[in-house]
Amino acid sequence: GDQVEQSPSALSLHEGTDSALRCNFTTTMRSVQWFRQNSRGSLISLFYLASGTKENGRLKSAFDSKERRYSTLHIRDAQLEDSGTYFCAAEGGGNEKITFGAGTKLTIKP
Amino acid sequence: GPKVLQIPSHQIIDMGQMVTLNCDPVSNHLYFYWYKQILGQQMEFLVNFYNGKVMEKSKLFKDQFSVERPDGSYFTLKIQPTALEDSAVYFCASSLGLNTEVFFGKGTRLTVV
Repeated sequence: GDQVEQSPSALSLHEGTDSALRCNFTTTMRSVQWFRQNSRGSLISLFYLASGTKENGRLKSAFDSKERRYSTLHIRDAQLEDSGTYFCAAEGGGNEKITFGAGTKLTIKP
Repeated sequence: GPKVLQIPSHQIIDMGQMVTLNCDPVSNHLYFYWYKQILGQQMEFLVNFYNGKVMEKSKLFKDQFSVERPDGSYFTLKIQPTALEDSAVYFCASSLGLNTEVFFGKGTRLTVV
């Protein structure tokens, strides 16, 4: 079955607001990556985490270090250019590959 | 940062013909991957490759698919023969080791007509 469950599937926000995206894993994962896919289809790497939290500007991600069963991506003060589809991808669960979630389509409105 | 290059960015091919998608992975990386994404949908794992061998493949990796990296050159995905349902964007990726960051290329959009 699916190992990476991503929520919400879609989100529409006004500029300046904050949001949180989440990925739940059906089994313990060793690491997680977050990507944004833009309208041209390019995958932009945002974070790679094996544990703890990382922050980059208005983006912050956390990987549950205890159970290793979920990760979050927080977007602060959303801007129009944050629009896109956000994917998490995790490695572990006995597999030697990263498994993607279904994505969150984020739309930022003026 | 490290870059994975994919050539070409777009390819249109007649159904039944052979196509080879080329990937130039990050230079010191040892693990290589192909993913398939049908427009607007999920990224689906196809195959990973290490030390000259396929390590794991999904059910999407049909018998018509093959991968190789001869003599440290391009990591290639060959589809022979192509089918209409092979139309998708194919992403190549590489990593230094297991449980390390995976770097993705920009994808090759394959259209089978």
